Formats: sequence, C-alpha cells, structure tokens
Amino acid sequence: NAGVMQNPRHLVRRRGQEARLRCSPMKGHSHVYWYRQLPEEGLKFMVYLQKENIIDESGMPKERFSAEFPKEGPSILRIQQVVRGDSAAYFCASSPPGSRYLYEQYFGPGTRLTVT
Amino acid sequence: DAKTTQPNSMESNEEEPVHLPCNHSTISGTDYIHWYRQLPSQGPEYVIHGLTSNVNNRMASLAIAEDRKSSTLILHRATLRDAAVYYCILRANYGGSQGNLIFGKGTKLSVKP
Repeated sequence: NAGVMQNPRHLVRRRGQEARLRCSPMKGHSHVYWYRQLPEEGLKFMVYLQKENIIDESGMPKERFSAEFPKEGPSILRIQQVVRGDSAAYFCASSPPGSRYLYEQYFGPGTRLTVT
Repeated sequence: DAKTTQPNSMESNEEEPVHLPCNHSTISGTDYIHWYRQLPSQGPEYVIHGLTSNVNNRMASLAIAEDRKSSTLILHRATLRDAAVYYCILRANYGGSQGNLIFGKGTKLSVKP
C-alpha cells in the first residue's frame, strides 16, 4: 500500500510565476490536509478537503492560494504569482474516512518550493 | 484546541531510554493526546495517541498523568534513527473541530552514539 505521494519533491519558481503542488492520498483515504512549514518553524495548517469539497480553509492566505480535491485525480495546491515569502516546505496528509478526529494523519514527503 | 508545552531540546545516548515530557494543563475532557515526530527533511510521522490510559505500540509508550495535565512519550531504547523533532498535540473529539493538527515547536531530540 503506497503512502501519500507528493510531486514534485522540489520546485523552483521565479517571482510572479505559478506553482502547482500535487498530492495523492493513501488508497481509500478521503480526507486531505495541506500544511506549510516555513524555514526553522513548525507546520501550520492551511486547508482541509474531502472529495470535491473544501471543508476548512481557515489557514489559507486570502489571496493567491487555492486548493482542490477533484472526484478523480490528486489534490492540487495552487499558488499564483509566487513571492519569496512563499518559499517553504508544503506537506500533504491524508486520513481514512470516518472519524477524522481520531485517526492519525499520514504525511507525504513534502514539496520544497523555492522562489527566486 | 488546548495548548501544549514541551522542552525545546533534549539529548540522549544511543540504546538508553528517553522520556519526552509534555504539559497540557488546559486539556479538556474531549481532547486526545497525539504524538508525531519529524525526521530531518521528511514529513511528520504518527507515533502514538491516547486519552486516559497508558498506551503501548511498537514505536513507543505513552504515559498519561492521572489528572491528564501532562504526559510523557517513552522511547525504550533510543537509536540514531530516533533523532527528530517530537510534537505533542491535543486533538478535540467533537464536531466543532475539523481535525487538523496544531503543531507547536516540539522537542528536538538528539541521540549520541
């Protein structure tokens, strides 16, 4: 059973470009979470999605950031017009259907975004 | 979700037990205590969780104080692979919570050979 997969693992973008980060949850998992880790800091929650629905985006910056989890395919975190402050590691996590409060979250290896 | 307090860093010798403390004096009755760890350049990894009783699994043990205001993660024999940042996280078990994890700064564990 493959774990959570994220690609690309490393992404370099120039200021003003768009970044697309992909996350394939573990097989059978229906909850997807995105977290961001700035250099030398802890992880911060960004958004929580189920298939075709954004459940909680309270941690997402108001502008330039969006996320989706379509019926088919991976979850996508999209950052438009990237700035240097967006440079960070972005982690995706998934958990099984059912009680999302109790099940552990399984994390992917992360995408390290560098904005030049 | 209630707040947790952990030491910034701890050191251990290889093959010795490690006790990682966590204070959570404002824990509520519906909060579960979860531990995750993050190895260098990797995503976090679930370690263990519990509510009131002590818990054991293949990775570690979790000892929870009777008043639940503190807990201790126990690694029985530290290995070099256990060097990581360990996060103690409280997760509410009720409908008002969306279940996302709130990470603090954690405890950076160093293991000496």
